[in-house]
Amino acid sequence: EPEVTQTPSHQVTQMGQEVILRCVPISNHLYFYWYRQILGQKVEFLVSFYNNEISEKSEIFDDQFSVERPDGSNFTLKIRSTKLEDSAMYFCASSDPAQITDSPLHFGNGTRLTVT
Amino acid sequence: SQKIEQNSEALNIQEGKTATLTCNYTNYSPAYLQWYRQDPGRGPVFLLLIRENEKEKRKERLKVTFDTTLKQSLFHITASQPADSATYLCALDPYYGNNRLAFGKGNQVVVIP
Repeated sequence: EPEVTQTPSHQVTQMGQEVILRCVPISNHLYFYWYRQILGQKVEFLVSFYNNEISEKSEIFDDQFSVERPDGSNFTLKIRSTKLEDSAMYFCASSDPAQITDSPLHFGNGTRLTVT
Repeated sequence: SQKIEQNSEALNIQEGKTATLTCNYTNYSPAYLQWYRQDPGRGPVFLLLIRENEKEKRKERLKVTFDTTLKQSLFHITASQPADSATYLCALDPYYGNNRLAFGKGNQVVVIP
């Protein structure tokens, strides 16, 4: 079964550094998402992306965050200047293009970001 | 304020019994509700989706109900097995009809052999 893959599985960075988290969504999916989960907390929506632009973003997704689909397969999340509170598991997800709404999300296994 | 509430206490259940989890929400009017399974250190895995006009949905040993009057969904695992041990997440669309999901914190299930 096709799956969403994320790299790296674990990223350690120093406060103030830039990080790029990478994702390869399922190949025929057109809707892409980033969510995050702080340890012990709920999964939170960050941003959705369709047709090469942001569809929606949450209040968490401030100017320090950006997303990009640099080619036909990758989807990236960049954090420009990391803060300690950015430490979390970041999940990429994609959904079926045939269903614009209420389509199940297919999640990757996440990148654990640790900011020191 | 908007809330999605799931029981924070783990549910310990004997193998073969039915596990029932509750998801209550306030100040939402979702078009649908989804249930996911999450294992430690892994991403959520989709299980079932139920729409606002559906009362019940089944998939193999799983059953979900959705009561928009009570603002509640129940998730049942029948004939539970140790492999069902995981955290189960309830998720809904806070903005009617799109795919931006709001998740509950999850309810852990431990199936005892």
